Amino acid sequence: KAGVTQTPRYLIKTRGQQVTLSCSPISGHRSVSWYQQTPGQGLQFLFEYFSETQRNKGNFPGRFSGRQFSNSRSEMNVSTLELGDSALYLCASSVDGFLYGYTFGSGTRLTVV
Amino acid sequence: AQSVTQLDSQVPVFEEAPVELRCNYSSSVSVYLFWYVQYPNQGLQLLLKYLSGSTLVESINGFEAEFNKSQTSFHLRKPSVHISDTAEYFCAVSGTNTGNQFYFGTGTSLTVIP
Repeated sequence: KAGVTQTPRYLIKTRGQQVTLSCSPISGHRSVSWYQQTPGQGLQFLFEYFSETQRNKGNFPGRFSGRQFSNSRSEMNVSTLELGDSALYLCASSVDGFLYGYTFGSGTRLTVV
Repeated sequence: AQSVTQLDSQVPVFEEAPVELRCNYSSSVSVYLFWYVQYPNQGLQLLLKYLSGSTLVESINGFEAEFNKSQTSFHLRKPSVHISDTAEYFCAVSGTNTGNQFYFGTGTSLTVIP
């Protein structure tokens, strides 16, 4: 069965631009979570969506936003990019939360120059 | 609030030797504990988890971890490592009051030396 698919794998953007990352969960999974991974801060939770509703949000500025579509696919948007936004962005999907297990995608490597 | 401390950032070990990766957590509520592994340029893969029941949990590739509530620890062990175990290992905690958010440790880089 197909895993969690994140596109694109690599992205280079200029400071001040905006970017949209995409995540296609495993079929049947309705919960999608996003994490930011950096060498300095490690893995930090961004937000979780379930059935098109944001259920939980981490401690990130409003420049970071997301949404989920009716087919459970999710997008994450970062506006007014800063150099510090350079990171690996990971998406994870689950049937409904960690009790059912989360499967992570391979991530999108964003570089802001 | 919940937090996870991985005491060792790097662990070198010879092939076929035993290894222990340490993880301590802090939480005021019931916790659920996880170990994830990350290979270069890949996402995280679940290695094992403790939700309830037996405090000793095992993975299919020989790793095991024991939930110790009194010491608030969830150390990962393997009696004999292989070259293919070289990777970054993350301990994570979630709980009944955290939604579905994982709190991750800073990771331990395990290097298996031939």
